Amino acid sequence: GQNIDQPTEMTATEGAIVQINCTYQTSGFNGLFWYQQHAGEAPTFLSYNVLDGLEEKGRFSSFLSRSKGYSYLLLKELQMKDSASYLCAPIDSNYQLIWGAGTKLIIKP
Amino acid sequence: TAGITQAPTSQILAAGRSMTLRCTQDMRHNAMYWYRQDLGLGLRLIHYSNTAGTTGKGEVPDGYSVSRANTDDFPLTLASAVPSQTSVYFCASSDSWDSGTGANVLTFGAGSRLTVL
Repeated sequence: GQNIDQPTEMTATEGAIVQINCTYQTSGFNGLFWYQQHAGEAPTFLSYNVLDGLEEKGRFSSFLSRSKGYSYLLLKELQMKDSASYLCAPIDSNYQLIWGAGTKLIIKP
Repeated sequence: TAGITQAPTSQILAAGRSMTLRCTQDMRHNAMYWYRQDLGLGLRLIHYSNTAGTTGKGEVPDGYSVSRANTDDFPLTLASAVPSQTSVYFCASSDSWDSGTGANVLTFGAGSRLTVL
């Protein structure tokens, strides 16, 4: 079966760095998305990885290791507005997104 | 502002009644999707449409139907609602490739919160 594992909840301090891990098992692989979802709002696109390595985009970076079925999202210089859920979604062989339950990130002053 | 419009924002529905959730996009995206989101679970695909005139079943299609008469609209119908269909429903759309990322990026609507009693 297909499976996505992410921590349910994480807490970090404003100004710090946090890494949100995601491990996955899918039938085939065609890339992996990270989305951000604020409470009561729609998910919004953050990053996409299809090759191994790190993709950097401002304060956010995303890493992928296809051989390990592993990705992480790195958030630097945390701001209160980063309090949200972060959704990991690999793409399977049918080009369908398989969504994790998300990691709720709580930022404390 | 271009994007996806969903209606209604929220609805309380008696079990056994029918309901149509509306979804309209103005980005001329070929593909559209309906997901449900429940606490503790990932987004689950209900139905999708790769292009106008075609639809397909997702992971949890039972109790739901869709139509795609044109590019812009993708309504989701519950013929006879049951309490297990209480959820937040998200409509999304995508084009074949995003020029910036090279990926099939989904754009989501704001969601429709449905409570079936």
